[in-house]
Amino acid sequence: SQTIHQWPATLVQPVGSPLSLECTVEGTSNPNLYWYRQAAGRGLQLLFYSVGIGQISSEVPQNLSASRPQDRQFILSSKKLLLSDSGFYLCAWSTHTRPMYEQYFGPGTRLTVT
Amino acid sequence: KQEVTQIPAALSVPEGENLVLNCSFTDSAIYNLQWFRQDPGKGLTSLLLIQSSQREQTSGRLNASLDKSSGRSTLYIAASQPGDSATYLCAAPNFGNEKLTFGTGTRLTIIP
Repeated sequence: SQTIHQWPATLVQPVGSPLSLECTVEGTSNPNLYWYRQAAGRGLQLLFYSVGIGQISSEVPQNLSASRPQDRQFILSSKKLLLSDSGFYLCAWSTHTRPMYEQYFGPGTRLTVT
Repeated sequence: KQEVTQIPAALSVPEGENLVLNCSFTDSAIYNLQWFRQDPGKGLTSLLLIQSSQREQTSGRLNASLDKSSGRSTLYIAASQPGDSATYLCAAPNFGNEKLTFGTGTRLTIIP
């Protein structure tokens, strides 16, 4: 069966510090991968998605970036965090086959920028 | 551009009641519609997925329906329990698009 991992689970970082969040998927190959952010009391915001290694689409201009160095690894990064980067970060994967684009989510990373 | 709306934003019902959560979407050209549950501080758990060719999908006490012509989906929860308390979100991917458009969710509270 497929599983998705995210780490760390929680993170407290000062403004201006770098960020690296990692997401890995097991039990499937060539998944679509997604990074979402959920700010307090708000809905899900899609940040990046990837349909293959090295293929990244950005949804929102910001100081975050994403990379996919391996088929089942997705990394969210920042060189300098802002206060507004605080939130709950969720990674998800979906299939290329029927049912099309059924998404499965990881447990999330709670980021607090101080 | 697809827009997904969930009304009401919050709902409280006594334990044991049956209830319906609503989801509306503006573009009917969807592959499927997915319902999720999110507990506080947790990730999203997939509950049900209805293919665009289906009208209903059932899992235990949950039944989801899809009416593409009217741009609506409902999630029916039978015999509600306190453990059903969570935020429920619906989402749909459009044809030719790997992305899901999410509703803002309905926060459900079941009162013991």
